[in-house]
Amino acid sequence: DQQVKQNSPSLSVQEGRISILNCDYTNSMFDYFLWYKKYPAEGPTFLISISSIKDKNEDGRFTVFLNKSAKHLSLHIVPSQPGDSAVYFCAAKFFGSRADGLTFGKGTHLIIQP
Amino acid sequence: NAGVTQTPKFRVLKTGQSMTLLCAQDMNHEYMYWYRQDPGMGLRLIHYSVGEGTTAKGEVPDGYNVSRLKKQNFLLGLESAAPSQTSVYFCASSYGGQAGELFFGEGSRLTVL
Repeated sequence: DQQVKQNSPSLSVQEGRISILNCDYTNSMFDYFLWYKKYPAEGPTFLISISSIKDKNEDGRFTVFLNKSAKHLSLHIVPSQPGDSAVYFCAAKFFGSRADGLTFGKGTHLIIQP
Repeated sequence: NAGVTQTPKFRVLKTGQSMTLLCAQDMNHEYMYWYRQDPGMGLRLIHYSVGEGTTAKGEVPDGYNVSRLKKQNFLLGLESAAPSQTSVYFCASSYGGQAGELFFGEGSRLTVL
């Protein structure tokens, strides 16, 4: 039973436009949410995180929005660049746990069209 | 600045063979993890360790064993490989930050024939 869901396996966006990647979760005991980016033949790399007590976190071109009542978060990339083409994983951490690892979604493959 | 290093990067096994994947981190992290990534399945936790000499089961532990004899190393073993274990394996480490951020290695692609 998936606790972190990314329902769009792929997303195609034109260069310069906004990319919006979505993630839903089912467990109210998550206290942090993270986004990872993964290029082919490389390991995932951390992009941005948000605490469950916040509704927005921004880092340069990347902004994550959290809607706790809807159990939904989204990653916005503005403007989208060719180097943003990658698989993006949404992940969540259980409240009070610093050692138990993260629960990941299945990923969304973002393709930036020139 | 190596970070998290996995060996080997690629391996082909026959059903029933055994092998060990080695993960080494140079960040002095306390926590280490083994994940597997399969098409359409995302990253799933196999086993993890919260310190030298300790291990714990994750979401998909069956068919795997692990050991953490030294703080910097985390070994993943397959005693009798099965085709269902064909996957890309990622090791990760963490310093136990509030957000639970993990630092990943580059992955090890294992094919079991």
